[in-house]
Amino acid sequence: EAEVAQSPRYKITEKSQAVAFWCDPISGHATLYWYRQILGQGPELLVQFQDESVVDDSQLPKDRFSAERLKGVDSTLKIQPAELGDSAMYLCASSAGTAEKLFFGSGTQLSVL
Amino acid sequence: GEDVEQSLFLSVREGDSSVINCTYTDSSSTYLYWYKQEPGAGLQLLTYIFSNMDMKQDQRLTVLLNKKDKHLSLRIADTQTGDSAIYFCAEGLETYKYIFGTGTRLKVLA
Repeated sequence: EAEVAQSPRYKITEKSQAVAFWCDPISGHATLYWYRQILGQGPELLVQFQDESVVDDSQLPKDRFSAERLKGVDSTLKIQPAELGDSAMYLCASSAGTAEKLFFGSGTQLSVL
Repeated sequence: GEDVEQSLFLSVREGDSSVINCTYTDSSSTYLYWYKQEPGAGLQLLTYIFSNMDMKQDQRLTVLLNKKDKHLSLRIADTQTGDSAIYFCAEGLETYKYIFGTGTRLKVLA
């Protein structure tokens, strides 16, 4: 069964360092999402891509976060510099289209020390 | 605004039925979803229902939708210890957005 791939699974970094997360969506899924999930809460959207274009990045802290999906397939989310409050699970998800089923990867658990 | 609410905790005995409830505010949803999240893992799609349906059954899972009251429920029959997890309901909107609830932590007692 096709899956959304994410790496790394865990990341520990010190504050002010740069971190990057990678996501490969299910083949053929044009829409890709990055979510942040703080412990005890539901996922919150950071950025949404349709192919290589950003559709919604209104909740992305653009002073330190950036995301790209250059060829409309895999995507990278970067944080520079990391802050203590960035500790969370970062989830990537993809779907085939509008309001279609959303499939999640296993996530990257980030700890900022 | 867009909001999805769920109760935080539910505890049931093994073999009983579990009912997890969810209310939402946006009436433009096309599909509504239930996801399961185990500790340290991503969200697993359990089931979904189209917004013009009232009920959907999928093995041990039954989804009920009351569109008038904007209320969604997930019933798990014969609940097992492996069902212990956090359950999220989510709205899929026409604008490509998905709105998630805060999750209900289900604990199944042996």
